[in-house]
Amino acid sequence: GAVVSQHPSWVICKSGTSVKIECRSLDFQATTMFWYRQFPKQSLMLMATSNEGSKATYEQGVEKDKFLINHASLTLSTLTVTSAHPEDSSFYICSARGGLAGGGNEQFFGPGTRLTVL
Amino acid sequence: AQRVTQPEKLLSVFKGAPVELKCNYSYSGSPELFWYVQYSRQRLQLLLRHISRESIKGFTADLNKGETSFHLKKPFAQEEDSAMYYCALSGYTGGFKTIFGAGTRLFVKA
Repeated sequence: GAVVSQHPSWVICKSGTSVKIECRSLDFQATTMFWYRQFPKQSLMLMATSNEGSKATYEQGVEKDKFLINHASLTLSTLTVTSAHPEDSSFYICSARGGLAGGGNEQFFGPGTRLTVL
Repeated sequence: AQRVTQPEKLLSVFKGAPVELKCNYSYSGSPELFWYVQYSRQRLQLLLRHISRESIKGFTADLNKGETSFHLKKPFAQEEDSAMYYCALSGYTGGFKTIFGAGTRLFVKA
């Protein structure tokens, strides 16, 4: 199956700093990438959807100025958590869709990034 | 409104017993339904999609449009089936979007 990578896998930062998380589709071109947030023992919460070359679409309640998403190419999307605070500590997961013959609407998930803000 | 409901947070069964993980959805249109699985310390991965009508690892799921359900079933549970299972719905509402249910943790006891 298609592979999606995320970097870093975990990051610890001080309150007030910004953190960038990268999501890459390694062997296919992703027309659409999604960013999710997962709290402990809870489901995935969709934060935003990004299409290559256009602005991301944010879900209700997600601050676009707080969580900056850039989808500069068909294989890379980045999520930047700006001025991070302890409440931003979470597990962030990206997924990618598109560009596969017969792939339909299946999404391929990255391994996730654990963010801890001190 | 789009919604995916998985009523059970935890399902515990004995090895060899049948298992059914429930999923109900709400969507105004023609959605595509999926089951994703997350094994311990692994990433989320696709298990089944309704359009494929296939059986993966002994699991099957039938889309019932009348009951708006997409329950996941396996006749004989195995210990290695223990994992977190998420029902998901994909559709086009102001853009393509996938929504996940809250998840059901399946624990298969020896």
